[in-house]
Amino acid sequence: AQKVTQAQTEISVVEKEDVTLDCVYETRDTTYYLFWYKQPPSGELVFLIRRNSFDEQNEISGRYSWNFQKSTSSFNFTITASQVVDSAVYFCALSEVNGAGKSTFGDGTTLTVKP
Amino acid sequence: GAGVSQTPSNKVTEKGKYVELRCDPISGHTALYWYRQSLGQGPEFLIYFQGTGAADDSGLPNDRFFAVRPEGSVSTLKIQRTERGDSAVYLCASSPLDSSYNEQFFGPGTRLTVL
Repeated sequence: AQKVTQAQTEISVVEKEDVTLDCVYETRDTTYYLFWYKQPPSGELVFLIRRNSFDEQNEISGRYSWNFQKSTSSFNFTITASQVVDSAVYFCALSEVNGAGKSTFGDGTTLTVKP
Repeated sequence: GAGVSQTPSNKVTEKGKYVELRCDPISGHTALYWYRQSLGQGPEFLIYFQGTGAADDSGLPNDRFFAVRPEGSVSTLKIQRTERGDSAVYLCASSPLDSSYNEQFFGPGTRLTVL
């Protein structure tokens, strides 16, 4: 069975600070996909980033970056120069390659960015 | 273009009643997923459709829950003899393909309250 753990329940930062959201996962599969989704106060989950298990290259996309380490089963997500609009609940999710897109989500990290 | 829509946005019912929740996926998306999200938790997979057929219903908690997608587009989640524990936000998501690679596009959810 697959499992996603987001140990940080809530994080509060001041605008312009960098913030890293942690995600640890468990799966028996060797091929899988990892995602980060954002759920703003309006409630609708929005896709942010994706990484497949074969590609451990870390990337930066605008203010977002992610650090995927297969050896520690971690997929951490960093927002640089945080803004108030980044305040939301962030979910890490795992999809196994044979799962046809069925995703297992963590319980989320609530990020509050204060002006 | 139009995103995933769900109706109603809120549903209050009494214990023991029957409810139907509707999902309109993004046009052309063949894969459709239902999730349930309880307060403070991440979405929990319920059922997945590829076209008209339920390809994986392993997440349905019991036989009171049933979902259909008769024409491969709109889907209805049906809950019989509702219980207070069924109270949650029911999320629908669609994806162009039933691939674990593809991100899912989520609707705003239906908040179900069972009194």
